[in-house]
Amino acid sequence: DVKVTQSSRYLVKRTGEKVFLECVQDMDHENMFWYRQDPGLGLRLIYFSYDVKMKEKGDIPEGYSVSREKKERFSLILESASTNQTSMYLCASRRFAGELFFGEGSRLTVL
Amino acid sequence: GESVGLHLPTLSVQEGDNSIINCAYSNSASDYFIWYKQESGKGPQFIIDIRSNMDKRQGQRVTVLLNKTVKHLSLQIAATQPGDSAVYFCAERRFGNEKLTFGTGTRLTIIP
Repeated sequence: DVKVTQSSRYLVKRTGEKVFLECVQDMDHENMFWYRQDPGLGLRLIYFSYDVKMKEKGDIPEGYSVSREKKERFSLILESASTNQTSMYLCASRRFAGELFFGEGSRLTVL
Repeated sequence: GESVGLHLPTLSVQEGDNSIINCAYSNSASDYFIWYKQESGKGPQFIIDIRSNMDKRQGQRVTVLLNKTVKHLSLQIAATQPGDSAVYFCAERRFGNEKLTFGTGTRLTIIP
């Protein structure tokens, strides 16, 4: 069974804190993605990675950074969390040009 | 501008009836389309996809129709069941671009 695992399902952080969201996939996929999901806005792409140590900005990268040191792991980093980053964060992976497999999501609340 | 959207944010259907969820896209360069289902508390799951060289594709109880002339995509679910209750997203990709653009989603509610 294919699996994309997001380390935290629910997080509560304070404004200004540094936040790490971890994602691991066990399918040896080349491509990995981070989306955020907000009511009425659908899924918006934050960053993606074609391969290890590679990263590309998505549609809303401001306030975020990413790290991909190993093929199976893609981390999303909020250097200084703000209340407008309260959202559901979804990680996904796929083989080149294949279908996307999503994790269960990490719901982040920034107070 | 570029957009992918759905006609209705919510849809209620009687159990056993067929459901039709619609999606409009604006980018004529889009060549690949996907439907995802997202149940409460879970991540989106792939349902079915279609390439722009096709008009129709069928899966198990689901059919996707693509009308490139009017840039319209629909998902038909036959004999809707309670387990079909979810939010349904369409997504599109342009040729040569690895990014998917998602619509805002339609919440399908099944009436017993």
